[in-house]
Amino acid sequence: DSGVTQTPKHLITATGQRVTLRCSPRSGDLSVYWYQQSLDQGLQFLIQYYNGEERAKGNILERFSAQQFPDLHSELNLSSLELGDSALYFCASSTQQASNVLTFGAGSRLTVL
Amino acid sequence: ILNVEQSPQSLHVQEGDSTNFTCSFPSSNFYALHWYRWETAKSPEALFVMTLNGDEKKKGRISATLNTKEGYSYLYIKGSQPEDSATYLCASPQAGTALIFGKGTTLSVSS
Repeated sequence: DSGVTQTPKHLITATGQRVTLRCSPRSGDLSVYWYQQSLDQGLQFLIQYYNGEERAKGNILERFSAQQFPDLHSELNLSSLELGDSALYFCASSTQQASNVLTFGAGSRLTVL
Repeated sequence: ILNVEQSPQSLHVQEGDSTNFTCSFPSSNFYALHWYRWETAKSPEALFVMTLNGDEKKKGRISATLNTKEGYSYLYIKGSQPEDSATYLCASPQAGTALIFGKGTTLSVSS
């Protein structure tokens, strides 16, 4: 157990639907990152939050949004889902500094049918 | 977003072979270089973080070097074992914050 908790582990839904993925960071970590891993792709950076504020944005679609709450947990909302959104979504946390390692959760596997 | 490139994409070696992979990254505005190991059905786990030119890190049979001036890092595995089979990722922070990952080198070690 890495200390980063992601729910749900698996999710199957239909095109056009909306889902929410949840992440609780490791105790003491203020920064949360979301990454997407699709077939034949590496880990694609989506977005980062630090202590409730958006800190960096990557290749995140407009249909996706995220937030970090006062208790530091984060949610990634995916709407108007398409088949191509099927992927493994990882949350990771760190203490923020660039040299600090990321601790990854187990991932949420989303399948869009 | 800066590009982090890794080669080779995949590698198959025999048990006992030594091997190495390459990670290249833009050398301007360098902050740090991370290596992670990602085993099948698990999450990526950190191996090393290097910040200074010339850094060398070692963990058991795995070691890494860093050249920030020319923008590359090497990961070496000495005497590969089947349990070393995994995808090895390198990553570098963008603008000092979010880690941008390469696509990884997938190592397969046969016994």
